[in-house]
Amino acid sequence: IAGITQAPTSQILAAGRRMTLRCTQDMRHNAMYWYRQDLGLGLRLIHYSNTAGTTGKGEVPDGYSVSRANTDDFPLTLASAVPSQTSVYFCASGSGGGTGELFFGEGSRLTVL
Amino acid sequence: AQSVTQLGSHVSVSEGALVLLRCNYSSSVPPYLFWYVQYPNQGLQLLLKYTSAATLVKGINGFEAEFKKSETSFHLTKPSAHMSDAAEYFCAVSGLSGATNKLIFGTGTLLAVQP
Repeated sequence: IAGITQAPTSQILAAGRRMTLRCTQDMRHNAMYWYRQDLGLGLRLIHYSNTAGTTGKGEVPDGYSVSRANTDDFPLTLASAVPSQTSVYFCASGSGGGTGELFFGEGSRLTVL
Repeated sequence: AQSVTQLGSHVSVSEGALVLLRCNYSSSVPPYLFWYVQYPNQGLQLLLKYTSAATLVKGINGFEAEFKKSETSFHLTKPSAHMSDAAEYFCAVSGLSGATNKLIFGTGTLLAVQP
């Protein structure tokens, strides 16, 4: 059972470069999310998608974009990376609604130099 | 708007001792509340959730939490800590917005278990 797969696991990136973090789920969940985790700040929502074809902004969307062309995939793109985007990024999925559990990937550690 | 506050970024207990991790929430509507655990270099996994049924919620690995509306709290407890409980614990509230299950997380509490 794969659940949520994120790639790459880790990446070092020069400032100004474009980077796409990939996320794929095999649970047929409607909703998908991208969070970033920073020491002392917990997890903060970047973008989300309630269903294929729709996306929305979370708490910290600036500098990031997402797309949801199908149910399974939810890539996160940094158009021009900056050092403040150094973080661990988690993709999650859920069935939607307010009571459901979220399932998380194992994270992508990104370092922007 | 919803938010959660976790009191204590680091908690250390002895093996066999009571674990108490504190979480207070703020919500303008009846909240759905969650505790997640993160082991080193892994993603988060659900420990337990409160969704307006019983106020005392039992989760995995012997953890439980009690929803107290009067105190706006949802503290996580375990009677006897094991070494394997060492991890980071996150309290979260569901930011209900239509059908969107946007979880708002606290800043986390790192639990250390001493032998």
